[in-house]
Amino acid sequence: SAVISQKPSRDICQRGTSLTIQCQVDSQVTMMFWYRQQPGQSLTLIATANQGSEATYESGFVIDKFPISRPNLTFSTLTVSNMSPEDSSIYLCSVERYTGELFFGEGSRLTVL
Amino acid sequence: DAKTTQPPSMDCAEGRAANLPCNHSTISGNEYVYWYRQIHSQGPQYIIHGLKNNETNEMASLIITEDRKSSTLILPHATLRDTAVYYCIVRVPSGGSYIPTFGRGTSLIVHP
Repeated sequence: SAVISQKPSRDICQRGTSLTIQCQVDSQVTMMFWYRQQPGQSLTLIATANQGSEATYESGFVIDKFPISRPNLTFSTLTVSNMSPEDSSIYLCSVERYTGELFFGEGSRLTVL
Repeated sequence: DAKTTQPPSMDCAEGRAANLPCNHSTISGNEYVYWYRQIHSQGPQYIIHGLKNNETNEMASLIITEDRKSSTLILPHATLRDTAVYYCIVRVPSGGSYIPTFGRGTSLIVHP
């Protein structure tokens, strides 16, 4: 299995500000994903973080709102830009093992006031 | 579009087997079925996966029908700590790749 560390684990932010979430994995992985989980809902994929190139965003998510970096095979960041209360969610980093299983961090719980 | 259908909720008595069904009727021949669970306030946890044969590990068993259109996750002796939301996942094509997409899952409550 992979050990995934996410920072911060939680934060309370003001409307209009931006927050960057970090994801560190203890081993090199090919696939890294960022998910959002709104209160009481399932997980929604935001994007696939590609090493050394632009992330691949899913429908409804854009780079200007959720810029993602992945400088190497063990680290990625997700920024939530110009936040509004609707962005209050848990944001989860996930990595994929070569056999296809996903491993998740504990998530970053974001509250926007 | 999650490509899977699960009952929204189930309950089970502690010590009894919990059988969680999943319908994935549009699954293609080389797609695996993955199961995860999410205990409240934690990240999802991988349980098991399979292609066509039944699988068993220390956490659960996975029974896949011969036509692969459905599967059942079995927790043989459910405990209170198995109370969680259980997700059945198949990959969905997106932008040239196949990505893991979560449906609504089944909320399993294990009661004493």
